[in-house]
Amino acid sequence: AQKITQTQPGMFVQEKEAVTLDCTYDTSDPSYGLFWYKQPSSGEMIFLIYQGSYDQQNATEGRYSLNFQKARKSANLVISASQLGDSAMYFCAMRETETSGSRLTFGEGTQLTVNP
Amino acid sequence: DTGVSQNPRHKITKRGQNVTFRCDPISEHNRLYWYRQTLGQGPEFLTYFQNEAQLEKSRLLSDRFSAERPKGSFSTLEIQRTEQGDSAMYLCASSVRSSGGTRYNEQFFGPGTRLTVL
Repeated sequence: AQKITQTQPGMFVQEKEAVTLDCTYDTSDPSYGLFWYKQPSSGEMIFLIYQGSYDQQNATEGRYSLNFQKARKSANLVISASQLGDSAMYFCAMRETETSGSRLTFGEGTQLTVNP
Repeated sequence: DTGVSQNPRHKITKRGQNVTFRCDPISEHNRLYWYRQTLGQGPEFLTYFQNEAQLEKSRLLSDRFSAERPKGSFSTLEIQRTEQGDSAMYLCASSVRSSGGTRYNEQFFGPGTRLTVL
């Protein structure tokens, strides 16, 4: 079974609007962390935001926020006020603390295009 | 530049040749990871080191692959007898192990080495 599922291969958004990128995960580990990374066409993975399984509040980092619904096992990324520079591939990843140590398991990604 | 660096950025080789990639992590980071990313996919974990000790290896890391991290600083990933299926982006990441919980263990990635096997 897929541990990380990103069901949107591609998403389009108008500049200055908000967009939500979906991520669902599957784990039986009680302690885990969820990450979002951005990968521009240059190839480098850029860390955006982190949510721990025991965190009570949704994580926020500037224009990025994470809509964490633990019971549904979803960790959607919300980008507010989209900018042209947000056009990139976005990956959701999970680290299962007890079962897989430090490794990250990534989803297949969502290609976001911001239109002017 | 104090980020993760990787060399070379691009490598083209013929099938059957050996290749070696280098990764220099962020200087205070004691953990180093290798991932492989094929076109249109997310990165897949290969192996990781804590200091000089290789603590985990994926089953993706066949016996043609070997990674080292002498002295706990830079790391090398060698692929012997390359095959066309080895063509991919090889990403290196580093992090610092903290007793403060997982929040401070974000992995910072380098720009990757793109390998093309002809």
